[in-house]
Amino acid sequence: AQSVAQPEDQVNVAEGNPLTVKCTYSVSGNPYLFWYVQYPNRGLQFLLKYITGDNLVKGSYGFEAEFNKSQTSFHLKKPSALVSDSALYFCAVRDVGGYNKLIFGAGTRLAVHP
Amino acid sequence: DTGVSQNPRHKITKRGQNVTFRCDPISEHNRLYWYRQTLGQGPEFLTYFQNEAQLEKSRLLSDRFSAERPKGSFSTLEIQRTEQGDSAMYLCASSPKDRGNTGELFFGEGSRLTVL
Repeated sequence: AQSVAQPEDQVNVAEGNPLTVKCTYSVSGNPYLFWYVQYPNRGLQFLLKYITGDNLVKGSYGFEAEFNKSQTSFHLKKPSALVSDSALYFCAVRDVGGYNKLIFGAGTRLAVHP
Repeated sequence: DTGVSQNPRHKITKRGQNVTFRCDPISEHNRLYWYRQTLGQGPEFLTYFQNEAQLEKSRLLSDRFSAERPKGSFSTLEIQRTEQGDSAMYLCASSPKDRGNTGELFFGEGSRLTVL
């Protein structure tokens, strides 16, 4: 079965520093991988996706993610964190079946301190 | 606002009562999904509609749960004889068919259920 793991419950980073939120995956076949963000009292928002092609994927709000097939990882990154980036981040993988059934990780809370 | 709309945003009910949540997807989206999110967990898939057809139901969706999308537009999720374990955030998402195979779902803000 398809699955993703987010090994960190929380990531703390100082404003202006680079940030990484980790995700590893387990899939059969080629993975379709995603990152979503959830701000307080807001719905989940799509950030970026990897389907095929370049291993470095760029998304919304200056975020990017690096697909690493050998390490089965899809870590979310940003060169310079903002306080406003503080939110809950979810990694997801598309399940088999031909439509968008997504399997989400447990989430990582990102706290950016001034 | 033309995003996904969910109502009510918060429902408090007593154990054993029935509750119904409504989701209005983005108008041109023919795919609609329900997820459930409990505290400290990621969203868990419940069910999927393409137009009015319910094409998949998770085993998480017990007999007390039923979802409909009668005209291929809005959807309802009903929980009968609620239990305290049903307390969660119920999320609705939609996507157009052309984007549907690449994973971008558009989520509503959710309906939070508290069962006392």
